[in-house]
Amino acid sequence: DTGVSQNPRHKITKRGQNVTFRCDPISEHNRLYWYRQTLGQGPEFLTYFQNEAQLEKSRLLSDRFSAERPKGSFSTLEIQRTEQGDSAMYLCASSPQSGGRETQYFGPGTRLLVL
Amino acid sequence: AQSVTQLDSQVPVFEEAPVELRCNYSSSVSVYLFWYVQYPNQGLQLLLKYLSGSTLVKGINGFEAEFNKSQTSFHLRKPSVHISDTAEYFCAVSDVQDTGRRALTFGSGTRLQVQP
Repeated sequence: DTGVSQNPRHKITKRGQNVTFRCDPISEHNRLYWYRQTLGQGPEFLTYFQNEAQLEKSRLLSDRFSAERPKGSFSTLEIQRTEQGDSAMYLCASSPQSGGRETQYFGPGTRLLVL
Repeated sequence: AQSVTQLDSQVPVFEEAPVELRCNYSSSVSVYLFWYVQYPNQGLQLLLKYLSGSTLVKGINGFEAEFNKSQTSFHLRKPSVHISDTAEYFCAVSDVQDTGRRALTFGSGTRLQVQP
């Protein structure tokens, strides 16, 4: 069990550029979550997948944000036309279908800085 | 709707002293309760969780927490802290019902600063 992994760990981009982050959940965890954490705050929920289906999206997930999990394994989060307000830590978490589904395990996060 | 309040944004404490980090929640449904720890530039690590049963739960690194339903609280405690406990601590809740909201709702965090 290697844990949840996220790539890249850091991303610096210019305003207006598109960025994409990847999350690899714990193997056999069919639930995957994305959160955003701004400085000095707790994580805020963005979206949730069960297998490849995106079942819940937060109002924080504007039209510029899109998340996919095409084969029910890894997931990508894309931000189009980045804005300075998008600067944050993006966290991914996973949990199993049963036998502990209530517990989410987090990756190390991707820190985004938009200049 | 759920909300989590961590009243103390920072808690300074001397090494080997006891500490309590406070967490209160509000929810219209039954919830699970969690404490996570975050070290600088890292993700969140689960410290402990309350799902059901005994209201006193023990976690990793010598931490424990007590669920108080009447007070809607889930305070985190450690009898003797170490320098290495310096970190940000987050309290979180989620719906008990699997058909409910699956996302975690977090508090704003408490920074524990352990001084020598």
